[in-house]
Amino acid sequence: ELKVEQNPLFLSMQEGKNYTIYCNYSTTSDRLYWYRQDPGKSLESLFVLLSNGAVKQEGRLMASLDTKARLSTLHITAAVHDLSATYFCAVDRGTYKYIFGTGTRLKVLA
Amino acid sequence: DAGITQSPRHKVTETGTPVTLRCHQTENHRYMYWYRQDPGHGLRLIHYSYGVKDTDKGEVSDGYSVSRSKTEDFLLTLESATSSQTSVYFCAISNGQPEAFFGQGTRLTVV
Repeated sequence: ELKVEQNPLFLSMQEGKNYTIYCNYSTTSDRLYWYRQDPGKSLESLFVLLSNGAVKQEGRLMASLDTKARLSTLHITAAVHDLSATYFCAVDRGTYKYIFGTGTRLKVLA
Repeated sequence: DAGITQSPRHKVTETGTPVTLRCHQTENHRYMYWYRQDPGHGLRLIHYSYGVKDTDKGEVSDGYSVSRSKTEDFLLTLESATSSQTSVYFCAISNGQPEAFFGQGTRLTVV
């Protein structure tokens, strides 16, 4: 059974600080996705990682994938308040059937 | 947003009643999915569809059925709603490109 674990579940950080969210999964997969969700809203696609060693960056966020370690990271650089949201990783079981992590609720304090 | 419309957006229903949620897309995407979101569980797949009249179960399908008679519509039915089905339901679509796109969600409360 494919399981996806994210940590931490909650993260409160000061503006300007760096931090990393981790996403571990239990079986082989070459496709991993990161989504952002604001309260009461839909999920917004952030990154699509399709191969071992893939690294994607957008603004203050950078995502990477190590398929051998079954680990993806979402690194936040110099956090700002606008990054406050819940972040989900999701692993593709095939045909875009996703197994989601439980999410990391990020709060950036001014 | 991708052209996905979920209806209703909010619904309160009584235990034991049937409920149907609708997902409508204007993107002509082949694949459609229903997920539920609950605290501590992330999103979990209920049912999915590969095309018209072609559906299959996800990981939490008990108590739910689906139908897809047209490419653009994917219906999720709770046959006899229970309190454990109180949740936020998301529809997603994909055309085979890497990621799926999600609708705005339907908040369902079963009292």
